[in-house]
Amino acid sequence: DAGITQSPRHKVTETGTPVTLRCHQTENHRYMYWYRQDPGHGLRLIHYSYGVKDTDKGEVSDGYSVSRSKTEDFLLTLESATSSQTSVYFCAIKEQGLTEQYFGPGTRLTVT
Amino acid sequence: ILNVEQSPQSLHVQEGDSTNFTCSFPSSNFYALHWYRWETAKSPEALFVMTLNGDEKKKGRISATLNTKEGYSYLYIKGSQPEDSATYLCAFQNTGNQFYFGTGTSLTVIP
Repeated sequence: DAGITQSPRHKVTETGTPVTLRCHQTENHRYMYWYRQDPGHGLRLIHYSYGVKDTDKGEVSDGYSVSRSKTEDFLLTLESATSSQTSVYFCAIKEQGLTEQYFGPGTRLTVT
Repeated sequence: ILNVEQSPQSLHVQEGDSTNFTCSFPSSNFYALHWYRWETAKSPEALFVMTLNGDEKKKGRISATLNTKEGYSYLYIKGSQPEDSATYLCAFQNTGNQFYFGTGTSLTVIP
């Protein structure tokens, strides 16, 4: 299995509070992705990174920011959490080229 | 927003039946098509990555084909087993390394 972990695995927070989710990899893969999974929508890309300090928006980036200061870590921040951000968040990693994407175990976030 | 569609949404088959699902995607900015298997309470697991028109990939009883000109891919499962029960996702990868997922086909294999 690809060495990819997410923390925390579960979090309950209140509306308006900041939340940071961490994705950590030991594979030295170039690309890292944050997705959210909601019923009826499948997986939707929030942000992705193509290298240290190189990030770009996905299709549902509003309300989220990311940072990647080291190859192995990709952080997803909700500056002020809202109930609509209650979801399961998956991180994924991928090497360059025609390669597979590997997913982390997911983080279940509940915003009350 | 790019549309990746999968059909059917769900499928129930008897053990031993063969089955297939469809993934349709736009043909512009295409780089690759990915298939994943996703079991409940787990993470999606990569099955295939395909890029060339006419590509065919096989892993055991599961195979996939790709038609980039008309924008579709088929996933086939031969002789379905209960352990094949899962949601099968396809994802369109564009030339910018962004991924767009379909909502999946949920397969239940009845023993």
